[in-house]
Amino acid sequence: QQQVKQSPQSLIVQKGGISIINCAYENTAFDYFPWYQQFPGKGPALLIAIRPDVSEKKEGRFTISFNKSAKQFSLHIMDSQPGDSATYFCAAKWGYQKVTFGIGTKLQVIP
Amino acid sequence: DVKVTQSSRYLVKRTGEKVFLECVQDMDHENMFWYRQDPGLGLRLIYFSYDVKMKEKGDIPEGYSVSREKKERFSLILESASTNQTSMYLCASSFSGTGAGGSYNEQFFGPGTRLTVL
Repeated sequence: QQQVKQSPQSLIVQKGGISIINCAYENTAFDYFPWYQQFPGKGPALLIAIRPDVSEKKEGRFTISFNKSAKQFSLHIMDSQPGDSATYFCAAKWGYQKVTFGIGTKLQVIP
Repeated sequence: DVKVTQSSRYLVKRTGEKVFLECVQDMDHENMFWYRQDPGLGLRLIYFSYDVKMKEKGDIPEGYSVSREKKERFSLILESASTNQTSMYLCASSFSGTGAGGSYNEQFFGPGTRLTVL
């Protein structure tokens, strides 16, 4: 199945808190897992990506945790800031550069 | 800096009209994509092109066609627009690279076209 299940659909976090977005998949043919960030009025932009043979990848305040056996992965945003307020999409790559996206999580970081 | 531009930010059309959405990228990318974005459904792939004149259907191709006559330009065509095609349409492009398993070439997105079909 070319599906990626993403939750929650919306998330409100206090400034300085940790934002956590979860995704799950079934298809073991997925071979790369990118996350995209979309601000209002803009197209999505690549935030961070991970291969399934890596359990964790960190870039600044953003960390992907990957659990291959459970077929789950998550995005953690540490020290969340109002500027992080955006919609986040998890995704999975399969075949020749095709990508299946989750439904998106609208994050709001309140001061 | 990679730039993907889309011909219109907002478009209003009537049911039954033929609609053209244009996308141009300036980075000599081989791959180009058309997605539609709807609340609660995320981004869904309509069509994908990996070379000039080459195309592949995505998850929801019904009611759409595409054209890629030049490497930098990828057009989405709604042959006879219907109200259920009211949506945000996003174009993206990426390098081919190896395309092999374990590698990922970032997709660069345009700002989107919000199409309303009345």
